[in-house]
Amino acid sequence: EAQVTQNPRYLITVTGKKLTVTCSQNMNHEYMSWYRQDPGLGLRQIYYSMNVEVTDKGDVPEGYKVSRKEKRNFPLILESPSPNQTSLYFCASLKTSDHNEQFFGPGTRLTVL
Amino acid sequence: DAKTTQPPSMDCAEGRAANLPCNHSTISGNEYVYWYRQIHSQGPQYIIHGLKNNETNEMASLIITEDRKSSTLILPHATLRDTAVYYCIVSPSGATNKLIFGTGTLLAVQP
Repeated sequence: EAQVTQNPRYLITVTGKKLTVTCSQNMNHEYMSWYRQDPGLGLRQIYYSMNVEVTDKGDVPEGYKVSRKEKRNFPLILESPSPNQTSLYFCASLKTSDHNEQFFGPGTRLTVL
Repeated sequence: DAKTTQPPSMDCAEGRAANLPCNHSTISGNEYVYWYRQIHSQGPQYIIHGLKNNETNEMASLIITEDRKSSTLILPHATLRDTAVYYCIVSPSGATNKLIFGTGTLLAVQP
């Protein structure tokens, strides 16, 4: 089954404790992206990657890092999480020849205390 | 900023057609109209897209006006599982593939 998976799905952590949210897709998509969703602000892009070893900032990259060492994986790293990063996070992937028909993961709900 | 305007909410009776409007008066010639939906706190789901011709797939139909300044997403026979927030997005093909989500329309399908 074609899918985007994220882990963990739920996470409660404390300020400053480094964490990684994993994202994996099994569709051989070149493009992957991370979004965060907050009430009243909608979904906003954090980082994106057009292909392996190619990443770029989205609209709200501060406090986040990403890497794209393999085509299927695109982890989101919070080196020193803060309470303002409490949010619902979505990973998405796209076959770049397929217009903008993005596949989204199920989401990761992160709470930073 | 989102380049589309949608009503914040709509109701539809189960089994009836749901017609969701979207205004995109500043759309550029190379921009497509995309529709996604998000069932409560799940990941957004692609529905359909079009450039200037009407489009239909197994989920929905998309009607784009001749001047391309507005469009309507049609769910022909709405079910309770179609209750979701529907997002109309204009985006050029290629580039960064960024999707700019606005606030969307909350469609409530009533039994």
